[in-house]
Formats: sequence, C-alpha cells, structure tokens
Amino acid sequence: AQKITQTQPGMFVQEKEAVTLDCTYDTSDPSYGLFWYKQPSSGEMIFLIYQGSYDQQNATEGRYSLNFQKARKSANLVISASQLGDSAMYFCAMREGLANYGQNFVFGPGTRLSVLP
Amino acid sequence: DVKVTQSSRYLVKRTGEKVFLECVQDMDHENMFWYRQDPGLGLRLIYFSYDVKMKEKGDIPEGYSVSREKKERFSLILESASTNQTSMYLCASSVTGSWPLHFGNGTRLTVT
Repeated sequence: AQKITQTQPGMFVQEKEAVTLDCTYDTSDPSYGLFWYKQPSSGEMIFLIYQGSYDQQNATEGRYSLNFQKARKSANLVISASQLGDSAMYFCAMREGLANYGQNFVFGPGTRLSVLP
Repeated sequence: DVKVTQSSRYLVKRTGEKVFLECVQDMDHENMFWYRQDPGLGLRLIYFSYDVKMKEKGDIPEGYSVSREKKERFSLILESASTNQTSMYLCASSVTGSWPLHFGNGTRLTVT
C-alpha cells in the first residue's frame, strides 16, 4: 500500500498567488516526521520544511507552511506569493520511527508545479 | 552546509557491465542512502547504511549491491547492468532522528 499519496501530478498557479500541494500519508507509528522537498529541473533535491508528529503547531519556513491535519493524516504544503522560481517537482516524504535508524524514509510520487507569469 | 558529492553527473554503460556509483559526504553522518528516481514513481530506496560496513535492503535491492568501508563514502554497485536500470540515482545522508536527508546532485545512468 502507498504510504505517501500525492494526488496532483501537475498544477498551475499564477505568479504572486498562493498554492496548496496535497499530501496524505499512512502510518501506524505514533512517532514520525513529514518532509517536503523541491526538485528544480537541475535535479537537486532541496529540503523545504519539516513537521513532527508531536508538534502542536504547523511548521512555517518563509513562504512555505505545512497544513498538518493529524487526524486526517494530511500534510499539505502551502506556498504563498508564488514566484517563477518555484516551478519544480515537489515531493512529500515521511520518516517513521524517528529514534531508529533511517530505513523508513518514503517518498510520494511528486507534484509538478508550474508558475505562470 | 552539508555537502553530498556524487562522482558522476551522467554515465552511459553497456548491458552486462559492472557499474560503480560513488557518493561522499562531508558531515560525519552515520546514515547514507541510495535511491533511484523514475517518473511517476517518486524516489524508491535501494539500500541504506547506518554505520561502516552495515547495510540494509530497501524496497528495490534486486540487481544492486553496496559497500561502505569508510563513514563518508557509500558506493552503489550494479553487478551486471541491464537496460531496466536506466534511471536517475540519488545518494543522500542524514543524522539519525528527525533530521532531513541531504542529497547529492544525482547521477543519470543510461544502460544501452
């Protein structure tokens, strides 16, 4: 079964608008972390934001925020004031059993975001 | 900043060749990983290592092996390359716990 689901293969957003990229996850482990990565056309994987399962508040990093809804098992990425440079693939990922060695670090299939001028 | 360096950006090999992909990290991370990335499938874990000489199979280890003789270096080996191993290979490292993976720039391998 898929542990990370990203239902939007591709999305378009107008420059300066906000956009939400969906991510749902599946785990029975009470201790886990959720990550978002950006992959521009150059291929590098850039870490954007992290949310821990025990964190009470939604994570924010500059223009990125994570809408964490634990009961629904969703961890959507919100990008405010989109810029042309935000055009990239975005991957949601989950790490289970945070105290243990990092075997269970799984990625979703990704969402390709295109920002329109 | 953590630096993860993969030895080749692009590689073209013939079917049946033995292929080595090298990865070096400079931050003394105990964990190192090899993923392959294919369109529509995201990143799939091939192998990871949590210490020198230690390795664990990931989701798709068939056709691959790994070596970690030094903490900073993690090698992926394709014993006999096949065309279905044409892919982007990403190396990553991390500290144990709630820390992100740090990735190299990837090696795009083509097997003809």
